[in-house]
Amino acid sequence: EAQVTQNPRYLITVTGKKLTVTCSQNMNHEYMSWYRQDPGLGLRQIYYSMNVEVTDKGDVPEGYKVSRKEKRNFPLILESPSPNQTSLYFCASSPIGDSYSGNTIYFGEGSWLTVV
Amino acid sequence: AQKITQTQPGMFVQEKEAVTLDCTYDTSDPSYGLFWYKQPSSGEMIFLIYQGSYDQQNATEGRYSLNFQKARKSANLVISASQLGDSAMYFCAMRETNQAGTALIFGKGTTLSVSS
Repeated sequence: EAQVTQNPRYLITVTGKKLTVTCSQNMNHEYMSWYRQDPGLGLRQIYYSMNVEVTDKGDVPEGYKVSRKEKRNFPLILESPSPNQTSLYFCASSPIGDSYSGNTIYFGEGSWLTVV
Repeated sequence: AQKITQTQPGMFVQEKEAVTLDCTYDTSDPSYGLFWYKQPSSGEMIFLIYQGSYDQQNATEGRYSLNFQKARKSANLVISASQLGDSAMYFCAMRETNQAGTALIFGKGTTLSVSS
């Protein structure tokens, strides 16, 4: 089954304690990205990756790091989490190409992160 | 400038009625795709419908249809015969296909409440 898997799904952590949210996809997609969702703001892109070892900033990258050492994995790292990073996080993957249709973008189930 | 605008923070409808959720977009790219997602209270993003900028006909998927008016840059979602299970947050999103990345740009969402 095609899927994007995020872990953890729910996490409460303390300010300053490094954490990693993992994301893995089984569709051999080149493109992966992270979004955060906040009330009244919709989803905003944090980082994206076009392929292995190729990453770039999205709209709200401050306070986050990513890596893409393998095609299937795209972890999101919060080196020193702060309360303003409390949010719902989504990982997404899709192929890169000329053919686009709605069902080629796959979202993970979301990770609810609370920083106290 | 906001690229996706959803002007209705909340909508209320009774079961079996039709409802239209508004979405306007802004892009200078002639090639783009428009998406609608449903997000129930559990948080996952559920793909509903897709419209490509060159598609001649409005997209339909079961009870969902997309009223695409290219000249007006609008892509409204129409849900026919609303059901209680349609109560959720709905997001309109756009992908500009001339960009190197394939980021989705989201609106702020509309909360739909369906009552019996």
